[in-house]
Amino acid sequence: DTAVSQTPKYLVTQMGNDKSIKCEQNLGHDTMYWYKQDSKKFLKIMFSYNNKELIINETVPNRFSPKSPDKAHLNLHINSLELGDSAVYFCASSLTSSGNTIYFGEGSWLTVV
Amino acid sequence: DAKTTQPPSMDCAEGRAANLPCNHSTISGNEYVYWYRQIHSQGPQYIIHGLKNNETNEMASLIITEDRKSSTLILPHATLRDTAVYYCIVRVLMKTSYDKVIFGPGTSLSVIP
Repeated sequence: DTAVSQTPKYLVTQMGNDKSIKCEQNLGHDTMYWYKQDSKKFLKIMFSYNNKELIINETVPNRFSPKSPDKAHLNLHINSLELGDSAVYFCASSLTSSGNTIYFGEGSWLTVV
Repeated sequence: DAKTTQPPSMDCAEGRAANLPCNHSTISGNEYVYWYRQIHSQGPQYIIHGLKNNETNEMASLIITEDRKSSTLILPHATLRDTAVYYCIVRVLMKTSYDKVIFGPGTSLSVIP
C-alpha cells in the first residue's frame, strides 16, 4: 500500500479553470504538507497542516486553498488556474510537525494550457 | 533560503563509492542534517539523518564533521539506480512546535556504467 498517495497523477487543464488535487496518507501521521516543484526543479513548501490546522503558509496566492477534512487527508484546490501554476505538486506527511522524517507522495503533474 | 550548499553535479563510476559533500556552516546546535534524493519523475525519498554522530543505514552512511559545519553522504557501492538529485537539508526550527524543511538545488549525481 502506498503510504502517501495523491490523485490525479497527471492533469492538463485550461487557464481559468478550477481544479483539485487530493492527498491521503495511511501512516497515522499528524502533519501533512504541499510542496511545489517548478520547471527549474526547485522544491518549495506551500502549506503545512497539523491535526487539520494550518501551521505554515508560504505566501502562496489565495487562489490556492488547502483543505484538511481530517488529519489523513490534505486536498489542494486551485482557482482560476494560470500558466505559471504548471508544476509538479507533492503531498507529504510526517509523524509530528517537528523533527520527524517527511514522507512524500509521487507527485501530481499539472499542466495549464 | 536553504542553509546548505552542495556541488550542482557529480559523476561516479558504477560499483564505486559516491561521496556527496554538503556545507552547512550556519547550522544551529539543535538542527539535524537530513538527506533526501529524488529519482527522475518520483517524489523525494528519505535517505538518512544525523545530529552530530556518524550514522549508517541500509542505504548510506552520513559523516558529520566535529564542528558540524559540513557533512558527507556516502553511497558505498553506487548503482545505476542511484542516479538522482541528492538534497542535503538542515531543518529550520520555526517554533518549538514545528520546523520547516527547505530544499536547495541539490547535487545531481550521475552513476556511469
